[in-house]
Amino acid sequence: GAVVSQHPSWVICKSGTSVKIECRSLDFQATTMFWYRQFPKQSLMLMATSNEGSKATYEQGVEKDKFLINHASLTLSTLTVTSAHPEDSSFYICSASWDRGRRVNQPQHFGDGTRLSIL
Amino acid sequence: AQTVTQSQPEMSVQEAETVTLSCTYDTSENNYYLFWYKQPPSRQMILVIRQEAYKQQNATENRFSVNFQKAAKSFSLKISDSQLGDTAMYFCAFMKPYNTDKLIFGTGTRLQVFP
Repeated sequence: GAVVSQHPSWVICKSGTSVKIECRSLDFQATTMFWYRQFPKQSLMLMATSNEGSKATYEQGVEKDKFLINHASLTLSTLTVTSAHPEDSSFYICSASWDRGRRVNQPQHFGDGTRLSIL
Repeated sequence: AQTVTQSQPEMSVQEAETVTLSCTYDTSENNYYLFWYKQPPSRQMILVIRQEAYKQQNATENRFSVNFQKAAKSFSLKISDSQLGDTAMYFCAFMKPYNTDKLIFGTGTRLQVFP
């Protein structure tokens, strides 16, 4: 149980285009979803936290207008990289957490990540 | 603010041997949770083991165990009988519950298991 599906797994696109990444919790309701960015051989950097039905909370230094996050339902959050440029190329990972009572056992369930390459 | 430090960027171990990965953290909180995550080459994040700060007993999960020293703010991971499939990046993570529930990750240790 507790499966998180992230799509697409790999995307290559031209500079200037917008790219949408989806994160779905398949068998549970995700009250909170997290979006991370990971550079090669580095740790996960939290970009933003989103709660269903409310605006995302962005970490310091993350451009809100560049990385649009929508958490419209308890099973779906999307990250849109707007007007993507080569420096936005990275590995993006989402995770989802559920009700507080069970969070401490497995605080976040991770998707398999999306490799974004901007040409 | 909480910080998590992993001082070993890379480690290697021979198959069947034991290896210990270090992690230290800094917090003023008394109640919190600590985790070790594994990220193999597939890049999937896998929870290895967790420890509640209020528990003195060290957590164990099969070949994986931790040495939790609360006063020293140390949380090391011991892998016994290392297997080739243990080759991965290992991240130590801190969580203060019932707040934002954010995970604060360390910089990671790349573990290579040799045959």
